[in-house]
Amino acid sequence: DVKVTQSSRYLVKRTGEKVFLECVQDMDHENMFWYRQDPGLGLRLIYFSYDVKMKEKGDIPEGYSVSREKKERFSLILESASTNQTSMYLCASVVGDSNQPQHFGDGTRLSIL
Amino acid sequence: GESVGLHLPTLSVQEGDNSIINCAYSNSASDYFIWYKQESGKGPQFIIDIRSNMDKRQGQRVTVLLNKTVKHLSLQIAATQPGDSAVYFCAESNNQGGKLIFGQGTELSVKP
Repeated sequence: DVKVTQSSRYLVKRTGEKVFLECVQDMDHENMFWYRQDPGLGLRLIYFSYDVKMKEKGDIPEGYSVSREKKERFSLILESASTNQTSMYLCASVVGDSNQPQHFGDGTRLSIL
Repeated sequence: GESVGLHLPTLSVQEGDNSIINCAYSNSASDYFIWYKQESGKGPQFIIDIRSNMDKRQGQRVTVLLNKTVKHLSLQIAATQPGDSAVYFCAESNNQGGKLIFGQGTELSVKP
């Protein structure tokens, strides 16, 4: 089975801090995604990546950046955390060449104080 | 813009009954559809998918129906069990590098 692992289940940070959320997948998937999930707003795509060192903006990239130095790892970076970035963050991966279901990690619940 | 939406935000059913969760999509170019289940404290879990060249697909206790004429997707769960209690999301894709558009989700509550 595909395993998508997010490094932290819960994280508490302060306003202005630089925050790193890590995601690792073990199935050699080309495509990886970062979403945030908020009540009433569903899953919103922040950034995605089709390959190492490649990144594409999703629907809500403002305030975030990403890094993909290795195929299995996709990092989400909050450059200067703000309270409106308190949310559940979900990472997903999928094989690149056809319609297939994305596989999700269990999420990181991030609180910015 | 393109969107995927659910008709009902919450659904309460009796244990043993069948459940039907509905979803409307707006992009006629979408050719792949997925249902996910999300339990509290966990990430979305793949349940079943269907491609646009099919109208129906069955899994274990679940059936997905696709009506392209009215752009409607439904998930049927047979003999609903307490373990089925979760939020269910539909998602659509038109093969743009695996990108999905998600609906808002329906919370299914199963009463014993």
